[in-house]
Amino acid sequence: AQKVTQAQTEISVVEKEDVTLDCVYETRDTTYYLFWYKQPPSGELVFLIRRNSFDEQNEISGRYSWNFQKSTSSFNFTITASQVVDSAVYFCALSEANSGAGSYQLTFGKGTKLSVIP
Amino acid sequence: DAGVTQSPTHLIKTRGQHVTLRCSPISGHKSVSWYQQVLGQGPQFIFQYYEKEERGRGNFPDRFSARQFPNYSSELNVNALLLGDSALYLCASSLLVTEAFFGQGTRLTVV
Repeated sequence: AQKVTQAQTEISVVEKEDVTLDCVYETRDTTYYLFWYKQPPSGELVFLIRRNSFDEQNEISGRYSWNFQKSTSSFNFTITASQVVDSAVYFCALSEANSGAGSYQLTFGKGTKLSVIP
Repeated sequence: DAGVTQSPTHLIKTRGQHVTLRCSPISGHKSVSWYQQVLGQGPQFIFQYYEKEERGRGNFPDRFSARQFPNYSSELNVNALLLGDSALYLCASSLLVTEAFFGQGTRLTVV
C-alpha cells in the first residue's frame, strides 16, 4: 500500500523568509508519480508540479523548487522569499501507475498549513 | 477554456437523506475521479471512472456510488447520509497519468 507523510502540520514564517515543506512517501512500485498541490481557503486544489520516479532531477520554477531523492523516499518543496499570497495548505501526493487497469488514483498526505506573516 | 466544474457549491442535508453531486470535466478529459476531504485531512480517493467504466474504488461503503455519462460528466451519489459524510467533495479530471485538475468542490454538511 502506498502512503504519504507530511510531518509538519503547520508552519509560520515571516514574509521574505525561505521555507521548506517536507514529504516522505512509501510505495512498492518502481514506477510512480509524485505531486504537490496548493489549497487556498477557497478550497480548490491547484496543481504545482509532477515528477515521475525515473526523473530525479531537481527543478526550479520561479520562487518554487523541488528536491526529489529516491534514496530517502523524499520529495521536498521549497518556497524562496515567501509572500503573503503563499499562505495556504500544501499537499504532497503519490500515484502508482496501474496502467494495465487504467487506474489512476492519488494518495495524499495530511497537508501542511503555511502561514506567511507580513 | 472552462476548468472542472462542480455543482452545487454548498449543500445542507439531513441524516438519512440522499445526495447527488455533479461534475463536468475539462473538455477532452475522459477520466473523472472523486475525492472526499474531511476538515483538517488530505483528500481521500473514492472512485475513478474512465470511458464510463469504473477503474478504481477507494475504501468507502456501498452507500457511495457513482457513474459517468457519455459526455464524460459524472455524478456521485451518497445514500443514507451520516454526520460523518460532512466534507468537501472534490472532482478531478485527467488524461490518466498526467496531472489531475480539480474543481472547486462541493461542501456537504449533514445535520
